[in-house]
Amino acid sequence: GDSVTQMEGPVTLSEEAFLTINCTYTATGYPSLFWYVQYPGEGLQLLLKATKADDKGSNKGFEATYRKETTSFHLEKGSVQVSDSAVYFCALRLGGGAQKLVFGQGTRLTINP
Amino acid sequence: NAGVTQTPKFQVLKTGQSMTLQCAQDMNHEYMSWYRQDPGMGLRLIHYSVGAGITDQGEVPNGYNVSRSTTEDFPLRLLSAAPSQTSVYFCASTPGFGQGNYEQYFGPGTRLTVT
Repeated sequence: GDSVTQMEGPVTLSEEAFLTINCTYTATGYPSLFWYVQYPGEGLQLLLKATKADDKGSNKGFEATYRKETTSFHLEKGSVQVSDSAVYFCALRLGGGAQKLVFGQGTRLTINP
Repeated sequence: NAGVTQTPKFQVLKTGQSMTLQCAQDMNHEYMSWYRQDPGMGLRLIHYSVGAGITDQGEVPNGYNVSRSTTEDFPLRLLSAAPSQTSVYFCASTPGFGQGNYEQYFGPGTRLTVT
């Protein structure tokens, strides 16, 4: 079935470090891909998305490129801040009328000053 | 707009008790969903609805019921709570076809503990 696999956490970095969180997927058809972020005590917020191969989603300094050949959607940021500490979820959306999301297990990121 | 609201924020139940988690949205979205979040497992879909009067099962529907009598509300019922239902529950809504960008908007969550 359709699934998303994320890099195991937790991840701890120092401020201004480079971040990569790996995400790979298995899907029938051509899903849309998303990164969601969950700050402590809050619900999920959409961080960025890509709807077709080679699309690059970007927001708040984060980027991810939809790579169909490697079925990947890795999240990157060049210089992280303490305020980026959160749990990050990669997800794919199945087509059709229901717009259902399939999530990875989440990666907890902690940035130390 | 308040977006997606959920009540209560926290709840403790005893095994065998029943309760309803409330979810409401004021964005006139057609699609609504319930997810549970467990450590190391991401979010898993419980039930979803593509419009008033229409619901369907997700990945982990057992022990839960839903109904959708209005566009705005999508309550989740636990019929007889079990410790395995201890989790954080998120409600989400999505614009329907032709309504917008298909982005899912999440509520703040309900943390449920079953003892």
